[in-house]
Amino acid sequence: SAVISQKPSRDICQRGTSLTIQCQVDSQVTMMFWYRQQPGQSLTLIATANQGSEATYESGFVIDKFPISRPNLTFSTLTVSNMSPEDSSIYLCSVDGTASGDYGYTFGSGTRLTVV
Amino acid sequence: QKEVEQNSGPLSVPEGAIASLNCTYSDRGSQSFFWYRQYSGKSPELIMSIYSNGDKEDGRFTAQLNKASQYVSLLIRDSQPSDSATYLCAFPTGNTPLVFGKGTRLSVIA
Repeated sequence: SAVISQKPSRDICQRGTSLTIQCQVDSQVTMMFWYRQQPGQSLTLIATANQGSEATYESGFVIDKFPISRPNLTFSTLTVSNMSPEDSSIYLCSVDGTASGDYGYTFGSGTRLTVV
Repeated sequence: QKEVEQNSGPLSVPEGAIASLNCTYSDRGSQSFFWYRQYSGKSPELIMSIYSNGDKEDGRFTAQLNKASQYVSLLIRDSQPSDSATYLCAFPTGNTPLVFGKGTRLSVIA
């Protein structure tokens, strides 16, 4: 299965600032996904990032707040902009391994964000 | 609207017992189902996938799927303290990304 390197692993940020999270995959993948996991909750999809096109955002998430880049088939970034304490969550990137014969999604190690 | 329902637990079982985790889903079009294990502070890890009605066994884990009842379960035999984690069921529909349940927290008591 694909190996995903995600960084930073954790950060404490001041409200009003922005944080960019990076994910690097060891193989080329068509789609990358960004999830958020709030404390004690399950995973909520933020957006799907396709190379060469704008990301597709889920209801409740907007590009101005969570801009995403996907410059090539192995890399993506998610920025959490103008942060508030409500943005404190774990952010996870994920890829679909179906195309390479691995079923299900593989996740990066996550970024634990605390906004103070 | 795609929904996944899980009992959030916690589910406590003694070491060596069978842990049974259940999940129901709303989308009849779903064709594949996944069980993830998530240890505290870690990212989810895929442990089982199932696509056909019936049982699928992998070591101590058995996934059971009943599409007519829209029900999928995970059995863990000979439960170990190291199995203590949150278990998430998830499914996609077509090209839609995975939708996750809220997870069931399992505690295996030594």
